[in-house]
Amino acid sequence: AQSVAQPEDQVNVAEGNPLTVKCTYSVSGNPYLFWYVQYPNRGLQFLLKYITGDNLVKGSYGFEAEFNKSQTSFHLKKPSALVSDSALYFCAVRDIRTGRRALTFGSGTRLQVQP
Amino acid sequence: DTAVSQTPKYLVTQMGNDKSIKCEQNLGHDTMYWYKQDSKKFLKIMFSYNNKELIINETVPNRFSPKSPDKAHLNLHINSLELGDSAVYFCASSHGLAGGGETQYFGPGTRLLVL
Repeated sequence: AQSVAQPEDQVNVAEGNPLTVKCTYSVSGNPYLFWYVQYPNRGLQFLLKYITGDNLVKGSYGFEAEFNKSQTSFHLKKPSALVSDSALYFCAVRDIRTGRRALTFGSGTRLQVQP
Repeated sequence: DTAVSQTPKYLVTQMGNDKSIKCEQNLGHDTMYWYKQDSKKFLKIMFSYNNKELIINETVPNRFSPKSPDKAHLNLHINSLELGDSAVYFCASSHGLAGGGETQYFGPGTRLLVL
């Protein structure tokens, strides 16, 4: 079975500082990994994904994520946080081997960027 | 020009009632999904359809019945609503490529409150 863990319920960072939102995964085969962001009372917006190739993936709004196979991690990063980045972030995985198309989501991490 | 739309946005109803939520996508995708987000923001797949055919049916009570009249629409009908059905229901769509790395695009959500 595939699973995702987001160990931090909330991450607080000052505006202008770098941010990291952690994600680890567990699959039986190779993973497809995704990050989504949810603003209050809104749907999920796609940020970026790792399918294959370079371990560093760049996405929307200046976010990037690094795939680390040995540590089974896919942490989301941004060099300089903005107050407008404050939202709920979800990591998700799909196991290539099972071919199961549904995403398995982590529990979400609330990012709070202070001015 | 909304990509994935859901109606209604809010739904307040009494226990025991039957209600439907509609979803439409104009992205030309052939796979659609329903996810449930509970009060703790945890997201879980409920159903998935590919070309109007049910391909994922998680352990959801049979009071929930999805219907896909065509590739662009996936509706969710709920019978005999219970308090525990209160949640946000998200529709999503994607291309049904064999590779599995396709991105899912989410609707804005339908906030269901059962009284």
